[in-house]
Amino acid sequence: GAGVSQSPRYKVAKRGQDVALRCDPISGHVSLFWYQQALGQGPEFLTYFQNEAQLDKSGLPSDRFFAERPEGSVSTLKIQRTQQEDSAVYLCASSLVAAGHTQYFGPGTRLTVL
Amino acid sequence: GQNIDQPTEMTATEGAIVQINCTYQTSGFNGLFWYQQHAGEAPTFLSYNVLDGLEEKGRFSSFLSRSKGYSYLLLKELQMKDSASYLCVGIPGGYQKVTFGTGTKLQVIP
Repeated sequence: GAGVSQSPRYKVAKRGQDVALRCDPISGHVSLFWYQQALGQGPEFLTYFQNEAQLDKSGLPSDRFFAERPEGSVSTLKIQRTQQEDSAVYLCASSLVAAGHTQYFGPGTRLTVL
Repeated sequence: GQNIDQPTEMTATEGAIVQINCTYQTSGFNGLFWYQQHAGEAPTFLSYNVLDGLEEKGRFSSFLSRSKGYSYLLLKELQMKDSASYLCVGIPGGYQKVTFGTGTKLQVIP
């Protein structure tokens, strides 16, 4: 089957707008992760789902960030009232079982907040 | 702690061998992944070490010493397409989120 897909690939938002980023994991993968990657840096963990349960959201930088995976497959990362510092690439990854297993990444969504 | 340290940049010649080192605090992780990331693209999995020793996979090999908190990625017969960032990723015990290093940007020159 297909790999991890994300949409949109690019998003430009005005400061203060809300955005929603979508991730379609590999079919059957239990675990789903969101990462934020700034230019020249490694991915930084945001949140983790096992099926529909959000087990770890310790990496979400503020309460403006919200993620959900209501049916245990597709996930959405929502950022409210975007700020310029939110500009980054948002990567989604899935793994077959648990967090310590190989993660397969989507192409990412590049968010630019003006 | 869960710090992962790797060199920021490296340059190597096409056809040569390069070793990218990664060190981490031993209390933090039980093993390591290595990922490759080309500019503007998502990371792709290269290797996975949870036991001490060398794992070989074609031109790429990865080594782990858990007691020393040390790993390296060895790339042989370098090709221009190997120019990319190489991310060292710590695997904690049980479930915990993995931790990415900042990556080593490798430039392969003719």
